Amino acid sequence: DQQVKQNSPSLSVQEGRISILNCDYTNSMFDYFLWYKKYPAEGPTFLISISSIKDKNEDGRFTVFLNKSAKHLSLHIVPSQPGDSAVYFCAASGQNDMRFGAGTRLTVKP
Amino acid sequence: EAQVTQNPRYLITVTGKKLTVTCSQNMNHEYMSWYRQDPGLGLRQIYYSMNVEVTDKGDVPEGYKVSRKEKRNFPLILESPSPNQTSLYFCASSSGISYNEQFFGPGTRLTVL
Repeated sequence: DQQVKQNSPSLSVQEGRISILNCDYTNSMFDYFLWYKKYPAEGPTFLISISSIKDKNEDGRFTVFLNKSAKHLSLHIVPSQPGDSAVYFCAASGQNDMRFGAGTRLTVKP
Repeated sequence: EAQVTQNPRYLITVTGKKLTVTCSQNMNHEYMSWYRQDPGLGLRQIYYSMNVEVTDKGDVPEGYKVSRKEKRNFPLILESPSPNQTSLYFCASSSGISYNEQFFGPGTRLTVL
């Protein structure tokens, strides 16, 4: 029972363009959402988060959007850079619970 | 430097040979957990610990044991490893289970033959 779904296993974009990574969740009790970035041979590292009381959070080139009614969030990276090439995990958190998606592999081509 | 360390980073073993993967954090975090990462399945939680001497099962605990005798350490024990436990394992720590970013170790790639 995957409560957090990232339906795109991979995404390829050109350097300088926008990358949009999507995530859907099923449990309406989740009220805090995070994105993690993972490079090969390293552990995931925290990237950005959003609380359910907001619909947008921005940090430099990274913006997370939350649509609670659709149970959907997305991560926008603008402009994309080759160093952004990594696996991105979406995570959803509620009271005493945190679930991860399967990840999306982003490749940014020079 | 704030970090989570895991050892070993790579391990090849045979079915039935007991092994322990160590995990240590230097951030005085109360919450620690173990995940396994498998293709198409993402990160699935094996066990977690809310504090010293407090552990609980995650989503995929079968075949694993943990202990939390000290705040900084949270070893993962495979008493009798089987090939279906071949995976990439991550230890993580945070200030709490919810609403907090988790800090992950570098991972342990385990192969059970």
